[in-house]
Amino acid sequence: GDSVTQMEGPVTLSEEAFLTINCTYTATGYPSLFWYVQYPGEGLQLLLKATKADDKGSNKGFEATYRKETTSFHLEKGSVQVSDSAVYFCAALIKAAGNKLTFGGGTRVLVKP
Amino acid sequence: SAVISQKPSRDICQRGTSLTIQCQVDSQVTMMFWYRQQPGQSLTLIATANQGSEATYESGFVIDKFPISRPNLTFSTLTVSNMSPEDSSIYLCSERAGPQETQYFGPGTRLLVL
Repeated sequence: GDSVTQMEGPVTLSEEAFLTINCTYTATGYPSLFWYVQYPGEGLQLLLKATKADDKGSNKGFEATYRKETTSFHLEKGSVQVSDSAVYFCAALIKAAGNKLTFGGGTRVLVKP
Repeated sequence: SAVISQKPSRDICQRGTSLTIQCQVDSQVTMMFWYRQQPGQSLTLIATANQGSEATYESGFVIDKFPISRPNLTFSTLTVSNMSPEDSSIYLCSERAGPQETQYFGPGTRLLVL
């Protein structure tokens, strides 16, 4: 069935390190893809999105490219800050799933000074 | 994106009681949803709130336990009925302007059931 899989956390990094969170999807067709971020004690915020193959979403120094060949949408940031400590969720809007937003399991990221 | 607010932001409730959570969106939206996020987990869709008609529930969720109202295009409520400690979760309201549009989330209601 349709699903989104992302790497498990927690991921612990030092400030200014490079961050990658892997995300792959299984779906019929080409879903729209999203990364959401949940800071401690808050709701979900949209971080970035891509709606078609080869699109690159970017925001706040984060980037992700929609790779049709590998059905992936990996999140990257070149130099993380303590304030990037949060839980990151990959999600896919899949038409075949009744246009429902399907989430990955979430990846907790902890950035240490 | 619309601004979404939820009330209450958090609550501590006794077993067997019910809590109604309100969701207000600052503009008219086509689609509204309710999600549950259990501690340390991802989000699970409870139901789609349909304006002027009964909500559409996902597998594992029933109207008697989670009655939902949506009287207009900007407001919805979710009631968690006859609560037990297993209902302790974050409940999030969400909206989407259209079937292929970006989906946005409210700040969540943090519920602890004792």
